[in-house]
Formats: sequence, structure tokens, C-alpha cells
Amino acid sequence: GAGVSQSPSNKVTEKGKDVELRCDPISGHTALYWYRQSLGQGLEFLIYFQGNSAPDKSGLPSDRFSAERTGGSVSTLTIQRTQQEDSAVYLCASSSGGAPETQYFGPGTRLLVL
Amino acid sequence: QKEVEQNSGPLSVPEGAIASLNCTYSDRGSQSFFWYRQYSGKSPELIMFIYSNGDKEDGRFTAQLNKASQYVSLLIRDSQPSDSATYLCAVTDSSASKIIFGSGTRLSIRP
Repeated sequence: GAGVSQSPSNKVTEKGKDVELRCDPISGHTALYWYRQSLGQGLEFLIYFQGNSAPDKSGLPSDRFSAERTGGSVSTLTIQRTQQEDSAVYLCASSSGGAPETQYFGPGTRLLVL
Repeated sequence: QKEVEQNSGPLSVPEGAIASLNCTYSDRGSQSFFWYRQYSGKSPELIMFIYSNGDKEDGRFTAQLNKASQYVSLLIRDSQPSDSATYLCAVTDSSASKIIFGSGTRLSIRP
């Protein structure tokens, strides 16, 4: 079946603009994660959705970052008033929520803030 | 102290040798442990997971877990140039609600 998809694959924006990044998880997967990966660095956890539970937002770096998941499927990560330090690859992953949780990653969105 | 620590490398190993990648974690309540491989410019892909003490083998890969020492490792036997990548160690937190990643070890297999 189809894997995790993300759009856009690349995004160039100007400092101060808002951006929206989209993630379509694997069908039937109840858990969805957003990560950020800066060049040469590991994955930084941002936010986690599990079913209808309240999301774990503990990784969001500032109040400029928000995410929602509509209908338990598609998720959108929004970054308001982008800054140059927001430039990174934003990765989405989904899992079935079973134990152990194995995550399947999308191809990522490469964000460049000029 | 970082929650999941890995040596950043690069780790250089001759083709055909055994590559040994190590990871330590700080949360004693962690239950599940993962190794991901990430090629340059690509997304991480799961290689193995382990959640019981001891060894788990899958083909050329062996994951080793020692919860008492809070240590997990990945052995790659008969290393191939195609194994050259960054290897990410990941650990669930004690609530099992999220997975914490290490910063990765860059492995280079020299022909």
C-alpha cells in the first residue's frame, strides 16, 4: 500500500511569512509524529498525535509552531512568522500504535527560510 | 545529559568486517529500542527493533540490549559499501508515548 506522503517536498519562503506543511499517514495508522532535522543533526521531536487523544506538544520549540490532525488522518504543521533558524527538513512519521511502535517516515519537506 | 547518546563518528570500517554501533539512553523506564538507517538526503528507515535483554539477529544485523547498563548496540556483519549511512538509535520514553532519537553515527565502509 501507499506509504507516508508529505507536501510540498521543498519550500522556500521569506523570513516572516507563514508556511503550512502537510502529511498524509499510512491508511489506518492511528499515531502520527512530526520531527525536525537540521543539516547533519539528529531528529528533533516536535509533536505526536495518537487517535482522539490530546496531542503531545512538548517538542514544539515556540508558539509560532502549531499542528493539527483532521479526522484522525491528514496532519498540517504550521509555522508562523518564519525565522531563518526554522530552515530544516520536517519529517512526518506514522505508526499503527501497536507495541512495539515502529514508525514509517515520509520523504520530508525541505524548508528554506531566506 | 542527552536522553539518547551516540558517537557521531564517522566510523570507518573495511568491507567485510564487523561494524559495531553503540547507543546509551538515560530513561530507565524505556521499553522499546530501534535502529534506523538514514542515507544522505533520505528519510530514516527502520532496520531493527528490540525490547528484551539479549541479542536479536536479522540477516547480517544483530541488535544487542542491556537494560541494566542502559546500552543498546547494532552489529553489522560482512559490511558492504551499501551499508555506508547514518545510523540512528531511538528509544521510547517511559510512558511509551513518543520515541526519542539520538543524533546518529555516520558509518563509512571502505572497499
